[in-house]
Formats: sequence, C-alpha cells, structure tokens
Amino acid sequence: GEDVEQSLFLSVREGDSSVINCTYTDSSSTYLYWYKQEPGAGLQLLTYIFSNMDMKQDQRLTVLLNKKDKHLSLRIADTQTGDSAIYFCAETDSGYSTLTFGKGTMLLVSP
Amino acid sequence: NAGVTQTPKFQVLKTGQSMTLQCAQDMNHNSMYWYRQDPGMGLRLIYYSASEGTTDKGEVPNGYNVSRLNKREFSLRLESAAPSQTSVYFCASSEALPADTQYFGPGTRLTVL
Repeated sequence: GEDVEQSLFLSVREGDSSVINCTYTDSSSTYLYWYKQEPGAGLQLLTYIFSNMDMKQDQRLTVLLNKKDKHLSLRIADTQTGDSAIYFCAETDSGYSTLTFGKGTMLLVSP
Repeated sequence: NAGVTQTPKFQVLKTGQSMTLQCAQDMNHNSMYWYRQDPGMGLRLIYYSASEGTTDKGEVPNGYNVSRLNKREFSLRLESAAPSQTSVYFCASSEALPADTQYFGPGTRLTVL
C-alpha cells in the first residue's frame, strides 16, 4: 500500500527559509499535495504538483519533485511566525479516489 | 458560504455509548470524506463517498458506519464507542475525487471514557 514519510519537527528563525521533506512509495501517484494545519483547525490546501512537473512556485512557496527518488519538498521563503503550523504531504492512490497523508511535520518559527 | 461544517465540536462518551457525528457542505461537492487524526499517526481515512448514494471503506473503517444522506450531508456513526476511538474527527469534501482540493471542516474532538 501507499506510505508517505515526513520528518516530525523543524525549527527555524523568522526570515530564514524552511524546507520540509517528504518521501512517498506509490510510483503511480499523479498528484502530490501540501496541506497546512493551524492549531485547532482543519487542514487547508497550500499547493499541489502534478507528477509530470519537477517544480512549482507560488509566491513564497516552492515545491520540488524528484520522481526518480520519490522525494517531494516544500520550501517556504522568508518564513514568518504565522507559518508555524503542521504541514502534511499527501499523495493520491492509483485510482485517484483517496489521499494518503504523511504524519505531518511541525514547523516552529521563532522570532 | 459556510464551507464544511461539523457538529458537535466536542463530545465526551462512555464506553459502549453510541453517537453520530454530522457533516454538511454547501459547495455542491460530489465527494465527501471522514478522517481521524491521532497524535503521531497523521490523518487516516475512515470512509468516503465518491458521489451521492455510494460509500466506501478507507484505511480504518472498523467500529464505524456512515450515511450519505444527500449530496450535502455525510454522517459518521459510532455504534458502541471504545476508548480507542478517542480522536479528532475531520470531515472533508471535494468537487470530484481527491485530484481536486479537499476542503476540511473544523473537526470534532471526541473522548471516550
């Protein structure tokens, strides 16, 4: 079955760049996603990438996809304290009917 | 638009009690999902409904039942609650299958004593 792995915790200083990494196992994944969860709230889609792309940039966010290594990363430029949250990587299953989420990476941004 | 709403926000049950978690969306989405979130386990899919009138099991369906009441509403029922079902439950919806953005509700925090 599908499995998505993420490191559990990342701490950065305000203004630095943050890089959150994810590895996945389903080689047939077509879409890969990054979701953000703020304390006490549900998940919110940040961005997604189609598997035929290597990179996607959206304002401060850059997603890099290495399909050969099944590695996905999310870079947040000029990280702010408001970026402190849990970030989830997710992939579609081969039938595109469900998402498999990683366990989440807690990002802590200190002033 | 309220998006995805869930009731209740908090609930405490005793072992063996039953309850239904309600979820509604006003975005005319076809697909709806129920997840549970546990510390260190991430989000795990319980059940989903790809379209009105259909439901399918996810990763962790045991101990739960669902009803897709109409296009807007998707409920999750615990027939005989167990302490292992203590969790935060999230409902989500998407226009079609998950290739579309999933929109999440605020969650229901359930404690089973």
